[in-house]
Amino acid sequence: DIQMTQSPSTLSASVGDRVTITCRASQSISMWLAWYQQKPGKAPKLLIYKASTLESGVPSRFSGSGSGTEFTLTISSLQPDDFATYYCQQYNSYLITFGQGTRLEIK
Amino acid sequence: EVQLVESGGDLVQPGGSLRLSCAASGITFSDYAMSWVRQAPGKGLEWVSGISGSGDRTYYADSVKGRFIVSRDNSKNTLYLQIHSLRAEDSAIYYCAKTHNLLLVAPDDAFDVWGQGTLVTVSS
Repeated sequence: DIQMTQSPSTLSASVGDRVTITCRASQSISMWLAWYQQKPGKAPKLLIYKASTLESGVPSRFSGSGSGTEFTLTISSLQPDDFATYYCQQYNSYLITFGQGTRLEIK
Repeated sequence: EVQLVESGGDLVQPGGSLRLSCAASGITFSDYAMSWVRQAPGKGLEWVSGISGSGDRTYYADSVKGRFIVSRDNSKNTLYLQIHSLRAEDSAIYYCAKTHNLLLVAPDDAFDVWGQGTLVTVSS
């Protein structure tokens, strides 16, 4: 199985900050990577797919980049609603795997 | 509006069985491969099973192969997950999720719609 490793596990930041979360794959997954946001007690919400394509309705302050084994999710200017846990997911094959999550907390 | 609604979660003894359901609305259900993803309390997301739109191909994570059976009834717009030989480590919220793209045979895709989840607790 393809292992996905996110860093950092926890990130403390303030409203207005620019933040970046990294996701590394144990082997190349081309551009088959998605990012999700999850808030407590809620289902995950798709933010980005195919590494850099913004899902409809997602604010443009979210962006994704990367290919192969290294990917990033960037939030250009943190808003209060963005404090949540973020997961990457690879779908290079049907044996889908997720990163362990990055908890974004208020500094 | 596309909606997925899970049901069937319960408190079950170790070794027991359970069937989860996921009712879909707002889409041509048979056009989409579907998956089940679980999340143990306080933990991350784990994909456990998927099925093609027609239902003729099924896929499982190694951790559940042989104990979980995924199926669907496209006439009822419903996805199922039959779980056997339940273990404590199967305790989780189980989400059903829809693939982003149409007409995929395998569920190797991003998931653009998720249900609210149904809780399975395995305990004596």
